[in-house]
Amino acid sequence: GDSVTQMEGPVTLSEEAFLTINCTYTATGYPSLFWYVQYPGEGLQLLLKATKADDKGSNKGFEATYRKETTSFHLEKGSVQVSDSAVYFCALVTGGFKTIFGAGTRLFVKA
Amino acid sequence: EAGVTQSPTHLIKTRGQQATLRCSPISGHTSVYWYQQALGLGLQFLLWYDEGEERNRGNFPPRFSGRQFPNYSSELNVNALELEDSALYLCASSPRPNYEQYFGPGTRLTVT
Repeated sequence: GDSVTQMEGPVTLSEEAFLTINCTYTATGYPSLFWYVQYPGEGLQLLLKATKADDKGSNKGFEATYRKETTSFHLEKGSVQVSDSAVYFCALVTGGFKTIFGAGTRLFVKA
Repeated sequence: EAGVTQSPTHLIKTRGQQATLRCSPISGHTSVYWYQQALGLGLQFLLWYDEGEERNRGNFPPRFSGRQFPNYSSELNVNALELEDSALYLCASSPRPNYEQYFGPGTRLTVT
């Protein structure tokens, strides 16, 4: 069945370090792909999205490119800040309009 | 524009009781989704409603049920509560299916 696999956390980085959180998926057809972020004590917020192959989603310095050939949607940021500490979820929406989330990756950024 | 709202914020029940959680979507959104986020785990899809109808259902027992009202607000009911039902229940809405979802702050359900 359809699934999303994220790298296990927690990921601990120093401020201004480069961030990559890996996400790969298995799906039939052409799903839409999303990254959501959950800050401590809050609900999820949409971070960025891509709806077709080779699309690049970007927001707040974060980027992810929809790679159909490698079935991946890795999240990257060039210089992380303490305020980026949160849990990041990769998700896909299938042709059956069902959203499947990855397990989440917790990011800690140290000052 | 008001976001997705959920009530109550916290709910404490004992095993065997019933819990009712409520969600109001963003104005103009017709789709409402429910998720369970147990401690240390990711989000598990529970239910999806659109235009008043249940459109899809996750792998949960029938004691998890809900409905969507004509104003698109939604209710999640959990019957015969079990200890493992303790979790954060998140509601999300979208303007149409297969679109990004906007999440509420969640209801923390504790079953003792």
